[in-house]
Amino acid sequence: DGGITQSPKYLFRKEGQNVTLSCEQNLNHDAMYWYRQDPGQGLRLIYYSQIVNDFQKGDIAEGYSVSREKKESFPLTVTSAQKNPTAFYLCASSPRTENTEAFFGQGTRLTVV
Amino acid sequence: AQTVTQSQPEMSVQEAETVTLSCTYDTSENNYYLFWYKQPPSRQMILVIRQEAYKQQNATENRFSVNFQKAAKSFSLKISDSQLGDTAMYFCAFMKLRTSYGKLTFGQGTILTVHP
Repeated sequence: DGGITQSPKYLFRKEGQNVTLSCEQNLNHDAMYWYRQDPGQGLRLIYYSQIVNDFQKGDIAEGYSVSREKKESFPLTVTSAQKNPTAFYLCASSPRTENTEAFFGQGTRLTVV
Repeated sequence: AQTVTQSQPEMSVQEAETVTLSCTYDTSENNYYLFWYKQPPSRQMILVIRQEAYKQQNATENRFSVNFQKAAKSFSLKISDSQLGDTAMYFCAFMKLRTSYGKLTFGQGTILTVHP
C-alpha cells in the first residue's frame, strides 16, 4: 500500500542529545514537509523540500536540520540547539501539481527527559 | 505571509445534529486552496474537504460542506447529521498555488466532540 511511514512512533531523548526522526514515502511525491504540532498552536512548518538535494527553511527551522538525498526519504534531526523539542512531529508529502493536497504520516511523539 | 484563524477552541454537538466550525484567513494572494483536515485521537491527519479559491461554488463531500466567502476571507465547515466518529480536532489550512504545492498554513484547530 502507498503511504508515508514515520518512525519511531514514540521517541525519548535526553537533554543535549541530537535525535533523528525518520520519514519515508512510496507515493512518488516530489515534495516533502516536516510540521511540528503543539497544543493550542496547530501545525507549524519546520522544513520542506520540493526536489531531491534541495530544501528550504519553514517558519520554525531553528534547532532542526534535514537532508533530502533520496526522493523517498526526508529525515529530520532535532539538535541540542532546539530549546523546547518536546512535541508531536508530522511528516507530509505531495506531488508538485495543482489540485492536490498534502498526505500525512502518523507522526512521532518526541519527549525530552 | 498568510495567517489562518480558528476562533473556536472547542465545540460540541449532539449526534445527528448539525455543527459549523469557523475559519478566517488573511492573504494578499488571489489564487489559493483552502482545506479542512480532521485529526482523530489516532492523530492521523485526514483530508475532509478542499476548496479552490477560483470556484464560486461551495465544495461538498457527503455530510461535509463549506461556506466559502472569498471577499470576507471566511471558510466555515458544516457537518450535518453528526456521528460519533466525527469526534476529532479539525484544522483549517491555506495553500498558495504554484510555488507552494502542499505547503500549508494551519489554524490553531477546533476540538469537536459529538455526544450520543
